[in-house]
Amino acid sequence: DTGVSQDPRHKITKRGQNVTFRCDPISEHNRLYWYRQTLGQGPEFLTYFQNEAQLEKSRLLSDRFSAERPKGSFSTLEIQRTEQGDSAMYLCASSQTPGNTIYFGEGSWLTVV
Amino acid sequence: ELKVEQNPLFLSMQEGKNYTIYCNYSTTSDRLYWYRQDPGKSLESLFVLLSNGAVKQEGRLMASLDTKARLSTLHITAAVHDLSATYFCAVDIGYGGSQGNLIFGKGTKLSVKP
Repeated sequence: DTGVSQDPRHKITKRGQNVTFRCDPISEHNRLYWYRQTLGQGPEFLTYFQNEAQLEKSRLLSDRFSAERPKGSFSTLEIQRTEQGDSAMYLCASSQTPGNTIYFGEGSWLTVV
Repeated sequence: ELKVEQNPLFLSMQEGKNYTIYCNYSTTSDRLYWYRQDPGKSLESLFVLLSNGAVKQEGRLMASLDTKARLSTLHITAAVHDLSATYFCAVDIGYGGSQGNLIFGKGTKLSVKP
């Protein structure tokens, strides 16, 4: 069990560029979540998948954000036309069944300049 | 409006002392999580509390849940420096199949000094 893995760990991008983050959940975890955390705040829910199905999206997830989990394993989170307000740590998490412990990855730090 | 309020937000305590962090929430929920976060790091799961009256203990930390009062507590016994971190409570606002939508508090930054 290697834990939730995220890539890249750090990304600096210019405003207006697109960025993509990848998340590999713990093996056999069917639930996968994306959260966003800014400095000094708690994480905020963005979306979650049950296997390959995206079941819930937060209103925080604007049209510029899209998440996929094509084969029910890894997931990607893409941000198009990045804005400075997108600067944050993007956290991926997974769990084996609903209601069990939710394990977080190390996060992907995004800085938009 | 859904709110999860932690207090205190900052806590400086001496080694060997006891203290309690409080987590109040404004919505009905049947599960609550406590996490620890070290600077620049991700969140480490401490406790998952699944029912009214649930109490869990791990080392110097003990968490409890009162769903009627919409209150959870994280009690620290005989604090040591290694406990210095930010502690978050999070309320799961989903039910049944939609569990996992967590609303986090702002966190309590704990500093334990010799």
